[in-house]
Amino acid sequence: DGGITQSPKYLFRKEGQNVTLSCEQNLNHDAMYWYRQDPGQGLRLIYYSQIVNDFQKGDIAEGYSVSREKKESFPLTVTSAQKNPTAFYLCASSIDRGRDTAFFGQGTRLTVV
Amino acid sequence: KQEVTQIPAALSVPEGENLVLNCSFTDSAIYNLQWFRQDPGKGLTSLLLIQSSQREQTSGRLNASLDKSSGRSTLYIAASQPGDSATYLCAVRPGGSYIPTFGRGTSLIVHP
Repeated sequence: DGGITQSPKYLFRKEGQNVTLSCEQNLNHDAMYWYRQDPGQGLRLIYYSQIVNDFQKGDIAEGYSVSREKKESFPLTVTSAQKNPTAFYLCASSIDRGRDTAFFGQGTRLTVV
Repeated sequence: KQEVTQIPAALSVPEGENLVLNCSFTDSAIYNLQWFRQDPGKGLTSLLLIQSSQREQTSGRLNASLDKSSGRSTLYIAASQPGDSATYLCAVRPGGSYIPTFGRGTSLIVHP
């Protein structure tokens, strides 16, 4: 079945560590996105990518990094520079710009311990 | 910058009621508007997608309308059931950008 897979579902990070969240899609979508969700804040865009080897910062990119080496993969690294990383992270994809539906993964809950 | 507002933030109703959830957006130049459902600790599931040229979309007990000129969309849920309990999010894809902008959602509880 086609879809988006995020892993792991739960992730714990110690202070000062970098951690990487995985996002893989087999929908042949060009565009991929990372959102952060905090209680009462809705979804905020971290990074997005329209095409392989290209990505753009969203509204809250500081302390995060991404890569897009393959069409189907868009991993997110939460670096030690992100001071408040505890949140629910959602990955999404869509065919291309404009008129199509966005599909979401099941999310990764990151907790700093 | 596009801003999306959802009212109410929370709603608790008895089973069987018909519901209206509201979504408003500040820039009427949009490609489409999408309604999602999110269960606790889960990702988002698409419910309905309305293109900018459309006025409404229906799926089962759900009906979503779009009034671009006034910057509003409503999600109508008929004969609500406890299984409808979830958070409902509205996302707008602005013209000139394909990046969806989300509202903060409406948390719905339908009690038996």
